[in-house]
Amino acid sequence: DAKTTQPNSMESNEEEPVHLPCNHSTISGTDYIHWYRQLPSQGPEYVIHGLTSNVNNRMASLAIAEDRKSSTLILHRATLRDAAVYYCILRLNSGGSNYKLTFGKGTLLTVNP
Amino acid sequence: EAQVTQNPRYLITVTGKKLTVTCSQNMNHEYMSWYRQDPGLGLRQIYYSMNVEVTDKGDVPEGYKVSRKEKRNFPLILESPSPNQTSLYFCASSFGTGGHGELFFGEGSRLTVL
Repeated sequence: DAKTTQPNSMESNEEEPVHLPCNHSTISGTDYIHWYRQLPSQGPEYVIHGLTSNVNNRMASLAIAEDRKSSTLILHRATLRDAAVYYCILRLNSGGSNYKLTFGKGTLLTVNP
Repeated sequence: EAQVTQNPRYLITVTGKKLTVTCSQNMNHEYMSWYRQDPGLGLRQIYYSMNVEVTDKGDVPEGYKVSRKEKRNFPLILESPSPNQTSLYFCASSFGTGGHGELFFGEGSRLTVL
């Protein structure tokens, strides 16, 4: 099953953009890229996902490299409420028998006031 | 309100005493899964289920059992808990089994095994 690699931690200032990278060099053609975040003392929550094209929603943007071996979650204006652990995972769409998910340790984002 | 409900939220038990952590979702989701979270190790998947009566192992299935007799419920069973199963557990579900389904997580169940 394909794995992802993320930096352990990143720091940002409030109201500045944040770019959270994720490497997934062994991604298959049918894997979707998902991002989740976990606020302190809460369960993870969905942020965004994509397959090949860049995606935008009210929370964030997802930029996917042309070869799909990496992606970047973009928070356009970080707030203190965005301080969380961010997880990048791959979800198999079809054509396989292994649908387990590997979250890893994620990236701890600290937002400075 | 769409939600994934776990019970109990907190539990302290002793080694060897069988326990079940329940998970229920009200969204008619096909995919359900269990995770444990330990300091420094992130989220690790224990078991997952693609639909009723279809379950498979995640990365850390040892010491756990699951069943999926109904679509809405996916209980996690610890037949003989040990202290190394002290952890924070999350249940999650998603629509369909394809990669485009977003996961909805429960609030977590903190288990302590003495």
